[in-house]
Amino acid sequence: AQTVTQSQPEMSVQEAETVTLSCTYDTSENNYYLFWYKQPPSRQMILVIRQEAYKQQNATENRFSVNFQKAAKSFSLKISDSQLGDTAMYFCAFLAGNNRKLIWGLGTSLAVNP
Amino acid sequence: GAVVSQHPSRVICKSGTSVKIECRSLDFQATTMFWYRQFPKKSLMLMATSNEGSKATYEQGVEKDKFLINHASLTLSTLTVTSAHPEDSSFYICSAPPPGLAHNEQFFGPGTRLTVL
Repeated sequence: AQTVTQSQPEMSVQEAETVTLSCTYDTSENNYYLFWYKQPPSRQMILVIRQEAYKQQNATENRFSVNFQKAAKSFSLKISDSQLGDTAMYFCAFLAGNNRKLIWGLGTSLAVNP
Repeated sequence: GAVVSQHPSRVICKSGTSVKIECRSLDFQATTMFWYRQFPKKSLMLMATSNEGSKATYEQGVEKDKFLINHASLTLSTLTVTSAHPEDSSFYICSAPPPGLAHNEQFFGPGTRLTVL
């Protein structure tokens, strides 16, 4: 069975600092996609960043970057220069196969403190 | 990016009544939509996959007679919570993957907060 594990239920960071959220997954698939979604207090799910497993280069979107370690099945999210608006729940998700079902981690609640 | 809407955004109903939640893809056609349930500060729990023109596929433990799903068109899926009870109170979210996206991104509706009194 495919699983996604986020081992940090809650984290906090000072504004302008850097924080890393961890995510590990388990799968026997070779081709798959990994995502980080953000859910702010409005509860609208927003895609932060995605990574295709066949790409060795780590994805980057402005202040957000990932450290994708395929052999270790690890997919951490680094947020640089944290901003108050980054306060949200962050979910790591995995997708493989043709059914397009996302497998979700339990989430990490991130608080950015002024 | 693609837009998915949900209606209503929040609903309060009496126990025993039925509630219909709509999920629409506004600028793309979606042959598949997903319905999730989310409890406060918890992860998303997939309830069912809505398939246009055919029956929905329910996840294990989800009562299909309780949560009726109809994917009537390529832009609309509805979730009806029948004979709602207080334990059905939750946040319901739909998502849809636009066709042809190689990276398999899904777009999410803003969610519907259901409160059953």
